[in-house]
Amino acid sequence: TQLLEQSPQFLSIQEGENLTVYCNSSSVFSSLQWYRQEPGEGPVLLVTVVTGGEVKKLKRLTFQFGDARKDSSLHITAAQPGDTGLYLCAGVQADSWGKLQFGAGTQVVVTP
Amino acid sequence: KAGVTQTPRYLIKTRGQQVTLSCSPISGHRSVSWYQQTPGQGLQFLFEYFSETQRNKGNFPGRFSGRQFSNSRSEMNVSTLELGDSALYLCASSLDSGLAYEQFFGPGTRLTVL
Repeated sequence: TQLLEQSPQFLSIQEGENLTVYCNSSSVFSSLQWYRQEPGEGPVLLVTVVTGGEVKKLKRLTFQFGDARKDSSLHITAAQPGDTGLYLCAGVQADSWGKLQFGAGTQVVVTP
Repeated sequence: KAGVTQTPRYLIKTRGQQVTLSCSPISGHRSVSWYQQTPGQGLQFLFEYFSETQRNKGNFPGRFSGRQFSNSRSEMNVSTLELGDSALYLCASSLDSGLAYEQFFGPGTRLTVL
């Protein structure tokens, strides 16, 4: 059982549409990261959130950390084919510092 | 600053053999972690080393082991390979400033066990 549950598992949308990926847990995290991974490559860090309620924007991507630091969301506005990839959330808990725990990932496909 | 490097990128072994994978972290990073990624299980945490000491360990059998050297470079060893060990093995390094634990990944080593 994954400590971090991501939904949906798969998302296929047209270019220009918006999408949201969710990352939920019953546990509290000290910090949470979002990564994007392309086939055959390592995940690339997109953002880190550490404060409950925090919202970070990275161009068309908006990341939110829940007030209780148990959940997070990633919203992409006007998706482009270059946004295609596997999106992974990962978090570290205070009592297991250094052990980053990953969700199963959301595969996003954006078609022209 | 150079990123995390892993060698080799691809490896083919047969059952029963052993394998050693290498990882060079980003300069200045003292924490190195290893993950196994498969289509069915996703990213599974193997272990994490900090200043040459294993600080965290995942739920993998003792056939999987690792170590970290004084220059923070790390190696991972898998003995008595099984077909199920075929996977992408990822190494990640972290500065571990204590404020947030951010990891930066290498490109991975694709291991195929025949």
